[in-house]
Amino acid sequence: AQTVTQSQPEMSVQEAETVTLSCTYDTSESDYYLFWYKQPPSRQMILVIRQEAYKQQNATENRFSVNFQKAAKSFSLKISDSQLGDAAMYFCASDAGGTSYGKLTFGQGTILTVHP
Amino acid sequence: DVKVTQSSRYLVKRTGEKVFLECVQDMDHENMFWYRQDPGLGLRLIYFSYDVKMKEKGDIPEGYSVSREKKERFSLILESASTNQTSMYLCASSFRTIAYNEQFFGPGTRLTVL
Repeated sequence: AQTVTQSQPEMSVQEAETVTLSCTYDTSESDYYLFWYKQPPSRQMILVIRQEAYKQQNATENRFSVNFQKAAKSFSLKISDSQLGDAAMYFCASDAGGTSYGKLTFGQGTILTVHP
Repeated sequence: DVKVTQSSRYLVKRTGEKVFLECVQDMDHENMFWYRQDPGLGLRLIYFSYDVKMKEKGDIPEGYSVSREKKERFSLILESASTNQTSMYLCASSFRTIAYNEQFFGPGTRLTVL
């Protein structure tokens, strides 16, 4: 079974600054995928960034990047040049891949507040 | 533009009522999922389906059942609603591939059971 833990219930950042959201996970799988999803207030959840465990290079999507530490089972999200539109609940999730049928295991979520 | 829709954004029901939550996707996805979202607990998988008429229990299936008669539609059923089923319910869908599976989510149904 997989577990995902987000130890920061809430975080805040000033507009244009950088913030890092933490996530740790536990899995017995050798091949798996990790995701960060964003849930804006009253809006649908969307994928922010994904990381394949077999890739050593950290994924990057514009202002969003991850720090993937496979041995430590850590997968943090860095948001650079934070914008007001980044305010949302962020969820870390893992997918065991293969025959898991795409089931995701989610963390508890982190509420990010962006101050102007 | 990909789309997952849910039948209601807000729903209020009485204890003991039978409740149907409907989810429809237009992306021809094989996989469909029902989650419930509670503060401090994140999203927890209730049931999922990887094909028409197929269903598998997730982590918290007790008190729920599902139906998938057509590929695009996945229904969550609360046979006898209870107050501890008050929650946000999210539907999602994805392709069934060996590689990563991005899930696309619906807007959610906030269910209150009185």
